[in-house]
Amino acid sequence: ETGVTQTPRHLVMGMTNKKSLKCEQHLGHNAMYWYKQSAKKPLELMFVYSLEERVENNSVPSRFSPECPNSSHLFLHLHTLQPEDSALYLCASSPRLAGGVYNEQFFGPGTRLTVL
Amino acid sequence: KNQVEQSPQSLIILEGKNCTLQCNYTVSPFSNLRWYKQDTGRGPVSLTIMTFSENTKSNGRYTATLDADTKQSSLHITASQLSDSASYICVVLNSGAGSYQLTFGKGTKLSVIP
Repeated sequence: ETGVTQTPRHLVMGMTNKKSLKCEQHLGHNAMYWYKQSAKKPLELMFVYSLEERVENNSVPSRFSPECPNSSHLFLHLHTLQPEDSALYLCASSPRLAGGVYNEQFFGPGTRLTVL
Repeated sequence: KNQVEQSPQSLIILEGKNCTLQCNYTVSPFSNLRWYKQDTGRGPVSLTIMTFSENTKSNGRYTATLDADTKQSSLHITASQLSDSASYICVVLNSGAGSYQLTFGKGTKLSVIP
């Protein structure tokens, strides 16, 4: 195990539902990330948090809303999603964003999301 | 445009054989290159991180090479095992003018069969 846990591991939701993905890291890291992984596409970086402050938002639609209440927890709130949002959502953490450099990242197992 | 291209897209080899995965990138300015292994249903796990000055780096049966002049990297797997079956992802970090960006390849899916 990498020290990064994600719940739930699988989620099926309708387009009108509201759900949240949870990520927790037990590594004492200061930076956390959300990625989207779709079939046959590269990983897409969605959000980056450093010391609980959002430092990057890669033009992600507003139906995805991140929350980082402390350096160990990261949430991704979902509402009115579309079928094309079905993907594997990965959380990662790294020791810190020293000088903006992305240090080695440790990934969680991901949440497999299906939007009907 | 920063891009990372990996080849082959997929590969099947017999257990015990060696194989080499390729990664070509157009990312600039270059900061470092990483190889990740992603088992089915799991998140990626880092294998190596290579900076500009490093040509070769090993991690057990995995050996990564980097040619910064031609902007190519390879991941060589020696004496493959069934547990090597996974997707291998090449990632390049570029940095410049105070900004940083990770560019991911689509990955090579390796299947090791008995």
